[in-house]
Amino acid sequence: AQRVTQPEKLLSVFKGAPVELKCNYSYSGSPELFWYVQYSRQRLQLLLRHISRESIKGFTADLNKGETSFHLKKPFAQEEDSAMYYCALSHSGGYQKVTFGTGTKLQVIP
Amino acid sequence: GAGVSQSPSNKVTEKGKDVELRCDPISGHTALYWYRQSLGQGLEFLIYFQGNSAPDKSGLPSDRFSAERTGGSVSTLTIQRTQQEDSAVYLCASSSRARNEQFFGPGTRLTVL
Repeated sequence: AQRVTQPEKLLSVFKGAPVELKCNYSYSGSPELFWYVQYSRQRLQLLLRHISRESIKGFTADLNKGETSFHLKKPFAQEEDSAMYYCALSHSGGYQKVTFGTGTKLQVIP
Repeated sequence: GAGVSQSPSNKVTEKGKDVELRCDPISGHTALYWYRQSLGQGLEFLIYFQGNSAPDKSGLPSDRFSAERTGGSVSTLTIQRTQQEDSAVYLCASSSRARNEQFFGPGTRLTVL
């Protein structure tokens, strides 16, 4: 069974400090990993996906198959990054159910 | 084009009443998902549709919850004999065959008094 773990419910950092939101997964096949974000009073939306290998709003995430992790990182946090972040997993190359983690609330302190 | 829409946006009901929540996915999206987001909790998966069939209903909390999808488009989530613990935001999402990205609706906030 596929499982996504986000160990931190809340992460508070000061503006300008580095951010790392942790995500670990378990899946027997070849997964596709995502980060979704929900800003206050907005819809949940895709932030980035590992196959794109892109940086969105300064955030990056690297898939580490050895450690089964997909941590989200940003070198310098900004106040507008404050939001709820969800890590998600799906079977790659297919068309399968996506499993979400329980989410981490990022609070950037001015 | 329009995104995923949900109705009603807010629903207040009395304990024991039935409620019906509606989701209109993006046109052409064959996969549809229902989630529940409770205060202070994360995203709880309820059910997943592929076309009109539901390969995975494992997240439905009890037999008071049911969902259907007709014409490969609109879906309704029905909660019978609502309880106070059903109070939450119910989110719907859809995705296409080409990409696994889920597009979310604005949610329906359900309050059971």
